[in-house]
Amino acid sequence: AQKVTQAQTEISVVEKEDVTLDCVYETRDTTYYLFWYKQPPSGELVFLIRRNSFDEQNEISGRYSWNFQKSTSSFNFTITASQVVDSAVYFCALSLPRGNNDMRFGAGTRLTVKP
Amino acid sequence: GAGVSQSPSNKVTEKGKDVELRCDPISGHTALYWYRQSLGQGLEFLIYFQGNSAPDKSGLPSDRFSAERTGGSVSTLTIQRTQQEDSAVYLCASSLRGNYGYTFGSGTRLTVV
Repeated sequence: AQKVTQAQTEISVVEKEDVTLDCVYETRDTTYYLFWYKQPPSGELVFLIRRNSFDEQNEISGRYSWNFQKSTSSFNFTITASQVVDSAVYFCALSLPRGNNDMRFGAGTRLTVKP
Repeated sequence: GAGVSQSPSNKVTEKGKDVELRCDPISGHTALYWYRQSLGQGLEFLIYFQGNSAPDKSGLPSDRFSAERTGGSVSTLTIQRTQQEDSAVYLCASSLRGNYGYTFGSGTRLTVV
């Protein structure tokens, strides 16, 4: 069975600090997809990134970067030079390309960026 | 529409009453999902619709919960004889097809009193 663990329940940083959100996943499948979503205080989840298991290349998008390491089953998310608007709950998720395709979410990490 | 639309945004109901939650997915998205998010918790999968296939209902917590999707578009999640533990935010998401990034609606906050 697949499982996603986000060990950090809450993180608080001061604006302009870099912060890394950890995500560890479990699956016996060799083909899978990993996601990160942002849930700001407004409540609507915003899709950030999708990564398939065959693509371990790290990705950078502006201040966001993702480090995918199959050897440690991790898909960590780093925000550089954090801003107050980054305050949100961030969810990591895993899905398999078969069956019902349901996405298994981690419990989320609440990030607070203080001015 | 441009995004996934859910209604109502808030619903307060008395214990024992039935409620219907509506989701209008993005046009053309064949996959539709319902999730539940309890206060301070992660997302719990409820049900998945893909095209005209039979839905995967494996996440529904009890037989008081049911969902349908009419014409491959709008979906309704029905909770019968609501209980206080049903209080949560119910999120709907749609996707062009499975395993692509989901687009979530803003959710329906259900409070059972």
